[in-house]
Amino acid sequence: KQEVTQIPAALSVPEGENLVLNCSFTDSAIYNLQWFRQDPGKGLTSLLLIQSSQREQTSGRLNASLDKSSGRSTLYIAASQPGDSATYLCAVKGGSEKLVFGKGMKLTVNP
Amino acid sequence: NAGVMQNPRHLVRRRGQEARLRCSPMKGHSHVYWYRQLPEEGLKFMVYLQKENIIDESGMPKERFSAEFPKEGPSILRIQQVVRGDSAAYFCASSQRDRGIGETQYFGPGTRLLVL
Repeated sequence: KQEVTQIPAALSVPEGENLVLNCSFTDSAIYNLQWFRQDPGKGLTSLLLIQSSQREQTSGRLNASLDKSSGRSTLYIAASQPGDSATYLCAVKGGSEKLVFGKGMKLTVNP
Repeated sequence: NAGVMQNPRHLVRRRGQEARLRCSPMKGHSHVYWYRQLPEEGLKFMVYLQKENIIDESGMPKERFSAEFPKEGPSILRIQQVVRGDSAAYFCASSQRDRGIGETQYFGPGTRLLVL
């Protein structure tokens, strides 16, 4: 059974810091891994999707890497801003259509 | 192209009542997924549907919960005889499955159910 873990559960940093968010999964047989952002009371916004054959994806200040063999992914946020404050969720897709989510990491970027 | 739409956004029910949650997928998407987010928990898969078919309901509680995606109209998640433990945010997602298993799921804003 696939399990996804995100540690720590919360992080508070001053504006401008470069951040690394971690995600680990127990079953390396995945099709893809996706990072989402969730704002309070809102839905999920997809940030980056990495297929199993890829090592990383980049979008603006965000960079996500995937190491399937070790069951790890990292989301790198460069030059963090207060607007980056949100909960970040990692999810993997295995042999079925369902996504398996971690519990998320609540990020607070202080001005 | 409008995103995934869910209604209502907030729903309050008393114990024993029925809750009916609606999801309209993105235009051109024929695959719908329902997830539940309990307080302080991650999202948990409930059910995956195509038009008129339930493909995977492995995450759906065996009793009181049902889902459908008719040929016409939105997908419906129905919870009968709600209990306080059903209070959660229910998210719907849709995808263009015909592009392959790696296709992105796009999420709606969710319906927040509160059972009194």
